[in-house]
Amino acid sequence: NAGVTQTPKFRVLKTGQSMTLLCAQDMNHEYMYWYRQDPGMGLRLIHYSVGEGTTAKGEVPDGYNVSRLKKQNFLLGLESAAPSQTSVYFCASSRTGQGASHQPQHFGDGTRLSIL
Amino acid sequence: AQSVSQHNHHVILSEAASLELGCNYSYGGTVNLFWYVQYPGQHLQLLLKYFSGDPLVKGIKGFEAEFIKSKFSFNLRKPSVQWSDTAEYFCAVLSSGSARQLTFGSGTQLTVLP
Repeated sequence: NAGVTQTPKFRVLKTGQSMTLLCAQDMNHEYMYWYRQDPGMGLRLIHYSVGEGTTAKGEVPDGYNVSRLKKQNFLLGLESAAPSQTSVYFCASSRTGQGASHQPQHFGDGTRLSIL
Repeated sequence: AQSVSQHNHHVILSEAASLELGCNYSYGGTVNLFWYVQYPGQHLQLLLKYFSGDPLVKGIKGFEAEFIKSKFSFNLRKPSVQWSDTAEYFCAVLSSGSARQLTFGSGTQLTVLP
């Protein structure tokens, strides 16, 4: 009963380094999302995907790229990490985009990323 | 663009006290409204949701929220809080437009003293 699994849980990077965060869901959900959570700002949507092979920009997409090669996986990439990207990153998935079937999003446990 | 305001950043209560957390949104169309809770070190969990019908919705763990369309509000309430309710609470709104994105408020940290 895994739900949404994020790896890694913690990572420290130096400015300019690259890395990829992995999100995997085993619920056969169509929609997947990446958010960042910063103190006093709630969650902000970075990118999302409405299905395998498709991605779209959210509220704060700059500095990030994503890929959805398989339905169950949604990857978030930082090509050249910056200190402003220090944050907690949450992945979520839902059966639809919530407009039609009103399915709430299921969240992963988060990845705490620090950029030095 | 839609926005969500949670005016209480940190609320401290004693056990058995009543709770009301404010949430106001700015969007003139049809909205779906949610409250999520994040316990320390955990991910967000859905507390309750409103889509249509009775504006008073009941969620898990004794929480309820009332949708007041004229006030653009969706306040969260609980008659008697417990120490285990200590967590951060997020209000969120989903617009009915094509974007279908959740917009979160900045969160309210609730601390319940034993």
